[in-house]
Formats: sequence, structure tokens, C-alpha cells
Amino acid sequence: QKEVEQDPGPLSVPEGAIVSLNCTYSNSAFQYFMWYRQYSRKGPELLMYTYSSGNKEDGRFTAQVDKSSKYISLFIRDSQPSDSATYLCAMSGASGSARQLTFGSGTQLTVLP
Amino acid sequence: SQTIHQWPATLVQPVGSPLSLECTVEGTSNPNLYWYRQAAGRGLQLLFYSVGIGQISSEVPQNLSASRPQDRQFILSSKKLLLSDSGFYLCAWSAAANYGYTFGSGTRLTVV
Repeated sequence: QKEVEQDPGPLSVPEGAIVSLNCTYSNSAFQYFMWYRQYSRKGPELLMYTYSSGNKEDGRFTAQVDKSSKYISLFIRDSQPSDSATYLCAMSGASGSARQLTFGSGTQLTVLP
Repeated sequence: SQTIHQWPATLVQPVGSPLSLECTVEGTSNPNLYWYRQAAGRGLQLLFYSVGIGQISSEVPQNLSASRPQDRQFILSSKKLLLSDSGFYLCAWSAAANYGYTFGSGTRLTVV
């Protein structure tokens, strides 16, 4: 079993839809949770960063962490064609060790005009 | 501010040829540095990481090697490329893993 599981999609939605992207994990030591967005042929860029459980909102994006269920989500409101990308979740434990960022395999999202 | 540079952007190399990809970071000192490979439609595979000059940890045994000759320079090499080495190679840096990584723009390598 992988430490982080992410539905690979592909996911296709109409413009304006609410998108929900999810990851589950098995390591209870994870405390820092991130979402990266990767456009085609580009490097991933950090989109959202949260610590421990709770919600964080940034414009149309909301990141949710439920540590009790070992489940994290990224919601995109009023989705736009420019949101079409692959979204990767990533997480880390408390230690500052270099090794400890673990990525999901990514979900490919297409927002249709 | 910190920036990361990775080159070349694309590379087509014949089987059996050598490889050298370079990555440099500006605006920070003693960064953690990483090389990842991403096959088409697949996730990120960690190849090497480094916490300091000359300190390289290998995650996947293969015909690739990495070196860190200077604090902010990370090089990925191969003496003889295989077809299976084709992919999208990404360099990244972090101050610490729990701060997240900043990725370079990537190198698309095609071995023919």
C-alpha cells in the first residue's frame, strides 16, 4: 500500500463547476499538507500549504485536512479553463529531514469552456 | 528572492550517449536539493537528494548519478543512456521538507 493515494482521474468538468480533489494517506506522522499544480510540460508549483487539521482558503481555492480520517481535499470554486492542470498532493512529518516530503501520483483536471 | 534554474529545457540523445543536466539555486544558502523523474502520466519519482556539498543520497539504483560540487549546484549525469531513461526530469530545492519544495521548469529528455 502506498503512503499517499490519489485518484489519477482524468477529471473533466464544465467551466464554473466546483471541483473536489482528494488524497488519503496512511502515515499518522504527517502534519504538513500541500497541493501543487502542474501545467503540461512545466514544473509543479506550490498552490496551497496547510498545517495540521482544518481549512485554508485562498481565493477560489480551499484546502481541507481531516487528520482523524487521514484525508485531505482541495476544492476549486467557479473553475476556469486556466485551472486545467495536474494537481498533486504532498505531505510531510514534523521533522526537518530532507527526505520527508511524500507526493501523491497526481490528478489530471480539464475544465471545459 | 530565491530562484531555481534548470537546463536544458529539452534534450534528444542517442542510446549509449552521456548525459549532464544542471540545476542551480540563487538567493539561499545550504538548500536541500532534489532530482525527480516524471514519466508520462505518472507521478514523481525521487532519484537523488542532497543536504550539503558532496552529500548525495540515492533513492533508486540505476545508471544515473548525481553530484553537488558547489552549495547551490546540483548535477544529474549518466555515462550511457538507456531508452528507459526518457522522461521529464525536475530539480527542486527546499529549506526543509515541511516547508515544501520549489521546482525548476524541468528538462524533457528523449533517448532515441
